[in-house]
Amino acid sequence: DAGVIQSPRHEVTEMGQEVTLRCKPISGHNSLFWYRQTMMRGLELLIYFNNNVPIDDSGMPEDRFSAKMPNASFSTLKIQPSEPRDSAVYFCASRGQGPGELFFGEGSRLTVL
Amino acid sequence: GENVEQHPSTLSVQEGDSAVIKCTYSDSASNYFPWYKQELGKGPQLIIDIRSNVGEKKDQRIAVTLNKTAKHFSLHITETQPEDSAVYFCAASSAGTSYGKLTFGQGTILTVHP
Repeated sequence: DAGVIQSPRHEVTEMGQEVTLRCKPISGHNSLFWYRQTMMRGLELLIYFNNNVPIDDSGMPEDRFSAKMPNASFSTLKIQPSEPRDSAVYFCASRGQGPGELFFGEGSRLTVL
Repeated sequence: GENVEQHPSTLSVQEGDSAVIKCTYSDSASNYFPWYKQELGKGPQLIIDIRSNVGEKKDQRIAVTLNKTAKHFSLHITETQPEDSAVYFCAASSAGTSYGKLTFGQGTILTVHP
């Protein structure tokens, strides 16, 4: 079975541009999480969905960030406009029912110049 | 919300030695404590977890202990090998929701020297 699939793996963009990161969770998983990883702040939870519904977006840094999950097999994280301080690795993770193992994708490394 | 502190931030050991990483958490309602290993260029991967109804769990060379009274838990790796070199994260689950939101520690960079 394929794991969590993220795209793109690497993105380099200029300040002010729109960035869209994509995630396909593991089939059958009903929770999806977006994390951001930086050296300074470690792994930060941005938002998570349960059954496609956003449950907690308190970690989303500001209005420039938005996330959607239109169906059980796809989610996007959008940054508009992007800024250099958004440079980080963004991870998507999914999980089945209840507290338990999170399965992480390989991450999307974003560099904003 | 939950706050997880992890120590040390870096740990260097010789092959064959043991390694211990410690974490404390703040929310007494947390009841699920996983440990993740992250290799370079990859996402974190679960290596072991423990729930609040047990005090210790072992899986081959890896063990985790939990002290709910003191709100701390530890990862023990015995007979370390160079392939154990990675970043290790502890986490705690905020039991206040049924969705088990994980809060991660800051990570420990473990280096095992051959």
